[in-house]
Amino acid sequence: DAKTTQPPSMDCAEGRAANLPCNHSTISGNEYVYWYRQIHSQGPQYIIHGLKNNETNEMASLIITEDRKSSTLILPHATLRDTAVYYCIVRGGLTGTASKLTFGTGTRLQVTL
Amino acid sequence: SQTIHQWPATLVQPVGSPLSLECTVEGTSNPNLYWYRQAAGRGLQLLFYSVGIGQISSEVPQNLSASRPQDRQFILSSKKLLLSDSGFYLCAWSEKTYNEQFFGPGTRLTVL
Repeated sequence: DAKTTQPPSMDCAEGRAANLPCNHSTISGNEYVYWYRQIHSQGPQYIIHGLKNNETNEMASLIITEDRKSSTLILPHATLRDTAVYYCIVRGGLTGTASKLTFGTGTRLQVTL
Repeated sequence: SQTIHQWPATLVQPVGSPLSLECTVEGTSNPNLYWYRQAAGRGLQLLFYSVGIGQISSEVPQNLSASRPQDRQFILSSKKLLLSDSGFYLCAWSEKTYNEQFFGPGTRLTVL
């Protein structure tokens, strides 16, 4: 699975959009980009994933560049409850096998008043 | 809807004692199951995964073992705990077709 690079920390004012970048320059054609977050002392929570098209769900939007070498997770209106470590993970879209996610150190997002 | 349970939530054990952590999933059948460990201030490390009853794959050599006696039950065990086994243990499940993993609440283990 391709390696990802994320900034170690970011701050965001409550109510503003939080844009979390991720570089994955060695991503291959069949690898998906996944985002999870982990609020302190809890298990990671799945947020969103995509292959090449931009994706949106009730939690966030995922913007993937045309060359797929980077992506941005967007939380449109950040709240204090969005304070967490956000993990960007790249893995192959294999089915029928175990999905082995490799978590890096992620980006610690601090949402402030 | 699917839910995943882990117990106990916290555990303090002496070095050399045995360990048994349990994870159960409800609302799905034949899931993939995973055990992860997160040491203090570090990322998650995959320890074991299972694609079916009695089928266990180990990702890293260690003092721990895993078993899957039933379709939706995954157990993490040790015969003799080490100080380095302390950490936050997370169980996760995924469906065969879709790759998203859903995590349980975790067990915080402290070995003294």
